[in-house]
Formats: sequence, structure tokens, C-alpha cells
Amino acid sequence: QVQLQESGPGLVKPSGTLSLTCAVSGVSISTNNWWNWVRQPPGKGLEWIGEIYQTGHTKYNPSLKSRATISVDKSKNQFSLKVTSVTAADTAVYYCARDNNVDDIPLDFWGRGILVTVSS
Amino acid sequence: SYELTQPPSVSVSPGQTARITCSGDELPKKYVNWFQQKSGQAPVLVIYEDNKRPSGIPERFSGSSSGTMATLTIGGAQVEDEGDYHCYSPDSSGDLRVFGGGTTLTVL
Repeated sequence: QVQLQESGPGLVKPSGTLSLTCAVSGVSISTNNWWNWVRQPPGKGLEWIGEIYQTGHTKYNPSLKSRATISVDKSKNQFSLKVTSVTAADTAVYYCARDNNVDDIPLDFWGRGILVTVSS
Repeated sequence: SYELTQPPSVSVSPGQTARITCSGDELPKKYVNWFQQKSGQAPVLVIYEDNKRPSGIPERFSGSSSGTMATLTIGGAQVEDEGDYHCYSPDSSGDLRVFGGGTTLTVL
């Protein structure tokens, strides 16, 4: 069974850098899948942040204005998200999720999410 | 930037058919997917590629798409179907993925 688990600090200071990791189990991150980050501000809708393939190829939502960086660590079977110059608007539950490229099923497995609050 | 538009809320009585719409200019050329999200939980995929149902999703969930509008239909809605529903589709380039604003379904 595929499982994803987000981890990282729950509190980040304004102008700082948000750093999260998604540990993947039940499947190798080196398989034919894309690995995604999605966020949801409190009481609001979902926002796609970006995704990465095992080769390191990435795609991003331009709304983050190049502040987001996604990377992959195949040796640890995990991928990560960094968002720089954070403000209160970056306060959200952050989810990692898999795009199943083998069966063409989008975002078929999700982590439980982690709340990140931007506050001094 | 590309947008998908959903009604903020839909309300039906138990056993009635619930229909949630999603409109977007690229929907004639791009598949739409639907997620159900219950309070405090991660989203769950209920329909992908306009009308396909993942394993484990009840048959009362179905999807369709025509022109610039897609519809998620829940035939015989149950109280357990309450929650937020989000449509999801790429823009014309295929590189940007977009969620609709979400629709809160109330069954009472």
C-alpha cells in the first residue's frame, strides 16, 4: 500500500523559509510517477504548488513567483518542498500526493497533511 | 491565469440526486477530475478523466463533461457524502494544474 507522510516545522517566521519533506513508502520514488505538493489555507480551497519526476524535472505554479523549489532524494525515497520569503499568506495545510503515471490516475494517494503557520 | 469555477454550495435531501458543476475554458480539450474532502481530512479522488471511478468509490458517483462545463453527479446522495468537492484540471499547456474553488455539499 502506497503511503505518504509529510514532516517539518509547524511554525515559520515571516520572511523565513518553509521546508517540508514527504516520505514515500510502499513504492519506489524512482517509478513512473510524478510527486506533487498541494496546499490549503485555513477555510479556503486547494492550490497546486508543483511536482517533480524521479529525474528531477519539475513543474511549478507561477502564482508562487519562483519562491518554491521541489527536490527529490531517491536514496531516502522522499521528496521535499522549500518556499522562501514566506508571509502570513503562506499559512496552510500542506499535502504531498502522487500522480500515478502508470495508470494515468491523478493524485491517487495523499499524505495526511501538515499545518504550517507563518507567524513571529 | 486559468480558472475553474464551481458554485460555493449545493444542498439536497437524502436520496436525491446531487449535481456539482465546474466550468473552465479548457475543459473541451482537457480532462477534469473530482476530489471529495471531508472535514479535517485529505482529499480523496472520486472521479478522474471526466467519468472514470477509482477502485473503491461507490457507483452512485459519476462524472460527465460537455463543452466548457463538467458535472459531478451523486445519484441518491447519502449523509456520508457531505463535504467539500473540488474539480481539478490542467491549463492549455498541461503544465499548470488548477483546482476549482470547491463546493460544499450538504445532505439533510
